[in-house]
Amino acid sequence: AQKITQTQPGMFVQEKEAVTLDCTYDTSDQSYGLFWYKQPSSGEMIFLIYQGSYDEQNATEGRYSLNFQKARKSANLVISASQLGDSAMYFCAMRDSSGSARQLTFGSGTQLTVLP
Amino acid sequence: ETGVTQSPTHLIKTRGQQVTLRCSSQSGHNTVSWYQQALGQGPQFIFQYYREEENGRGNFPPRFSGLQFPNYSSELNVNALELDDSALYLCASSLAPGRPHNSPLHFGNGTRLTVT
Repeated sequence: AQKITQTQPGMFVQEKEAVTLDCTYDTSDQSYGLFWYKQPSSGEMIFLIYQGSYDEQNATEGRYSLNFQKARKSANLVISASQLGDSAMYFCAMRDSSGSARQLTFGSGTQLTVLP
Repeated sequence: ETGVTQSPTHLIKTRGQQVTLRCSSQSGHNTVSWYQQALGQGPQFIFQYYREEENGRGNFPPRFSGLQFPNYSSELNVNALELDDSALYLCASSLAPGRPHNSPLHFGNGTRLTVT
């Protein structure tokens, strides 16, 4: 079963507007973490934001916020006031207790394009 | 603080050949994870090295192997290259395997491997 699902292969947003990138996850663990990464065309993976399963408040980091709905198993990324430099692939990832490596499991990503 | 560095940045190999990719972890990090990212997909976990030993492996065949050295740098070796091995190979370092729970992976810029 797929652990991380990103159903939007591509999204467009007008500059200065807000955009929401969807992510749903599947785990039987009570303790887990959710991460969002940005990958520009250069290939580097840039960490954006983290949400823990026990965190009572939604995470925020500057223009990034995470809309965490635990009962729905969703962890959507909200980017406010979009900028041209936000155009990139965005990946949602999860860490739970499966595997000794406690590795991150990634979704298939969403390509965001910011229009001028 | 020195980040994660990978070499080479690009590589072209022929089917059946062998390849070695290298990664230097971020200063102070003793855990290295390798991911394969095929075009248009999210990164897939290959394996992780912790204190010079393999500490977890994804669904990759034995022809994918690795090493970690006393300075925590790492190598990924792929034997008998196949066309489907063409991908971006990402190395990531961390303080310890998935701990603390909220610790993100710090990625290098990747090695883009093309198998012809």
